[in-house]
Amino acid sequence: NAGVTQTPKFQVLKTGQSMTLQCAQDMNHNSMYWYRQDPGMGLRLIYYSASEGTTDKGEVPNGYNVSRLNKREFSLRLESAAPSQTSVYFCASKMAANSPLHFGNGTRLTVT
Amino acid sequence: GESVGLHLPTLSVQEGDNSIINCAYSNSASDYFIWYKQESGKGPQFIIDIRSNMDKRQGQRVTVLLNKTVKHLSLQIAATQPGDSAVYFCAENKGQTGANNLFFGTGTRLTVIP
Repeated sequence: NAGVTQTPKFQVLKTGQSMTLQCAQDMNHNSMYWYRQDPGMGLRLIYYSASEGTTDKGEVPNGYNVSRLNKREFSLRLESAAPSQTSVYFCASKMAANSPLHFGNGTRLTVT
Repeated sequence: GESVGLHLPTLSVQEGDNSIINCAYSNSASDYFIWYKQESGKGPQFIIDIRSNMDKRQGQRVTVLLNKTVKHLSLQIAATQPGDSAVYFCAENKGQTGANNLFFGTGTRLTVIP
């Protein structure tokens, strides 16, 4: 039981490049989330998927797209990376509304 | 102490002492609270949660206290160890249902002095 697995762990991009961050969970959770974490700003929600087949914007969705590929997998895509997207990205999942989020160990992205 | 939305940078304690990390919340409708621990280079790790129909909940070396009268949440760590050094933050649901209902504070950094 690996929990929430994110790949890659580290990535460096040049401005304008694109990439997809992968996330998979093996806990049979319904909801999945993408957050970014910047110093002094805490966790900010980018997009989430309440259940398979649905996605919704969070607090900071601009510059990102997501795909809920199946119940296990939820990917985050940067179509044209910008330096402002330098951050640590966390994927999370949970079973039900009032239950704890379970996080992956993050992808550290630098955009130069 | 920490407020959801405000930042209290650090708390230093001696190894073996008890630690108390505080969190103030503003929404009296919040009925579910969670404490997370985040070590350097890792994702947030669930520690303990509590629902508003409880005042206290205990785990292994940790206790969460909820005071709804003053809208205050605390995490107590007994016999603090070097491995407890991390950032701790609380989350609340602000009384909302649905998938996107958790709101996070910015955290308190706990440093354990050997």
